Formats: sequence, C-alpha cells, structure tokens
Amino acid sequence: LAKTTQPISMDSYEGQEVNITCSHNNIATNDYITWYQQFPSQGPRFIIQGYKTKVTNEVASLFIPADRKSSTLSLPRVSLSDTAVYYCLVGVNSGYSTLTFGKGTMLLVSP
Amino acid sequence: GAVVSQHPSRVICKSGTSVKIECRSLDFQATTMFWYRQFPKQSLMLMATSNEGSKATYEQGVEKDKFLINHASLTLSTLTVTSAHPEDSSFYICSASNAGGQTNTEAFFGQGTRLTVV
Repeated sequence: LAKTTQPISMDSYEGQEVNITCSHNNIATNDYITWYQQFPSQGPRFIIQGYKTKVTNEVASLFIPADRKSSTLSLPRVSLSDTAVYYCLVGVNSGYSTLTFGKGTMLLVSP
Repeated sequence: GAVVSQHPSRVICKSGTSVKIECRSLDFQATTMFWYRQFPKQSLMLMATSNEGSKATYEQGVEKDKFLINHASLTLSTLTVTSAHPEDSSFYICSASNAGGQTNTEAFFGQGTRLTVV
C-alpha cells in the first residue's frame, strides 16, 4: 500500500484559501487519491477523489501532477466549520478491500 | 449519497460486560463492511473486514475472540466487544462500499460509537 505523508497541522483564517499537500511517492498505477474530512467524534466524510490532473466539486479541488507522486487538496475561502482533520488516502477501494488511513492534517481555522 | 448508520452513538458499560455495536447500510447492499478503532488524537486503525455470510478477517493484533463480528445480511454488520475493559474504551467506526462490481468506489462511514468502559 502506498504510504502518504501530510503536514501534521495547519493554521488558517476565515476566508482564506487552504492548500494541503500530500506526498505519495510509491503510488501504484491503479491507485486513486481520496481525501476525507473528520470532525471530532464523527466518522470520516468523503471530500473528493481523483486519479490525475485536476478534479473539482462543490467543496474542494484536487490537484494531481503528472507524476502523481503528490496531490494537493484546495479548500477555497475556509470558514470556522472547516476546522477538522483531513486525511489523504491512496489506493483502490473496491468494496472488498479498504484504504489505509495515515495520520492526517489537523486544520485549525481562526476568526 | 449512500448512508451508513451506526448505533449506538455512545455507550457506557461496566468492566467485564459485553457491548454490541450495529452498522447498517441504509440504501445499498454491502457485501463487505469494515470496522475501525480510533483512540484520542490518533488516526483510524482497521480492526477487521466483515464479510456477509462468512467469517470476518481480522488485522494483526486484533483478538477475534474479544471483538466478535457478525455480518448476517447485506445491510447489517455487528461488532460485539466481549468482556470489555477500560483499555477498550475508544471510538469505533464502521464503513461500507456499494461496490457493485466497480473497481474503485467511495467508502461511506458510520457516525461512530464512543465506547467508555468504567
């Protein structure tokens, strides 16, 4: 399984754009990159998933360079409610196997 | 999106008793469900893979006789913590995917169960 490395924590202010980068140097050809958000005492919530280039949805963008050895989750104009732990996962979730969680990035958004 | 429901959300039990946690996929059938444990300020650790109609597959270091998993139907998996002790106090989370034969799908997580053993 591809190992991921993320910053342990990040600080931001309301209204700013936050970019969290994840390194996954040994990503396999079939692996996808998935980001989850977790609030205290809640289960993780899916944010975005991509394979290459750029993916955008209503809450975030995911930038993946051509070599796919890293990815960047971009949260536009964060609010206080975006304070959470963000996990970058790499692999294939087939329904029969699951993804491995790394340590995650604790994002603290201040007023 | 698909919903995975976990019950109870919070439970306190006495040391030596057993506790059952339910995980249900509400709008899809899940051949496989996964159980995680999360200690404070730590990441999710996979405990076991629950397979409908067969025995669960446990991760190394997880006692199968202590953490009993039953996956009796395509929409329900249960985790029973037997003879619970204070060190079993943790946040337990289940997840499931509606794979439908796809090679990569989104995993949906339950709300989690906060177990406190006193």
